[in-house]
Amino acid sequence: DAGVIQSPRHEVTEMGQEVTLRCKPISGHNSLFWYRQTMMRGLELLIYFNNNVPIDDSGMPEDRFSAKMPNASFSTLKIQPSEPRDSAVYFCASSLLSQANYGYTFGSGTRLTVV
Amino acid sequence: DAKTTQPTSMDCAEGRAANLPCNHSTISGNEYVYWYRQIHSQGPQYIIHGLKNNETNEMASLIITEDRKSSTLILPHATLRDTAVYYCIVQSGSARQLTFGSGTQLTVLP
Repeated sequence: DAGVIQSPRHEVTEMGQEVTLRCKPISGHNSLFWYRQTMMRGLELLIYFNNNVPIDDSGMPEDRFSAKMPNASFSTLKIQPSEPRDSAVYFCASSLLSQANYGYTFGSGTRLTVV
Repeated sequence: DAKTTQPTSMDCAEGRAANLPCNHSTISGNEYVYWYRQIHSQGPQYIIHGLKNNETNEMASLIITEDRKSSTLILPHATLRDTAVYYCIVQSGSARQLTFGSGTQLTVLP
């Protein structure tokens, strides 16, 4: 398996522009998570899906952020409009959750810079 | 409300065992201890987890005290590639999300 695939790896955009980050989870995994990492705040959970349904989006900073999971093999995180404070590394992770506990597999992340 | 306490940083000589401690004095009966690590510029990587018994896999060993208030991650023969931030996370088995703290920066020295 190729693991969790995120694209793009790097994104530089101007303030006010729309940004879309993409994630392909591991095939067969039923949960997907979006995290954001900054030096100041560390790793923060933004939202997670279970069986393509958003379960908890309390970590989404504000209405400018939205996430979708139209099917089991694809998710997007959109920021519109983007602001310089959104600059961070965004990670996607997937897992197979059942009665037992499984580790999460993280992607390589998207480094977003908003200028 | 951090559930775990870890040292900010540790050093270890290459080839020696690295013992990373974690305190979780308020752990509940249904909460697991997870360990992840993050090598610079990469996504976090799952290492191991346990409930109350000691666990071992190809990467590391996890030793949990009998009262479950603390644990130690052991990398038996540390290499330079083990230099990373190591996160100890306590989470309910029924919870879906992981909450990361600040972790321990482990530096393996040649």
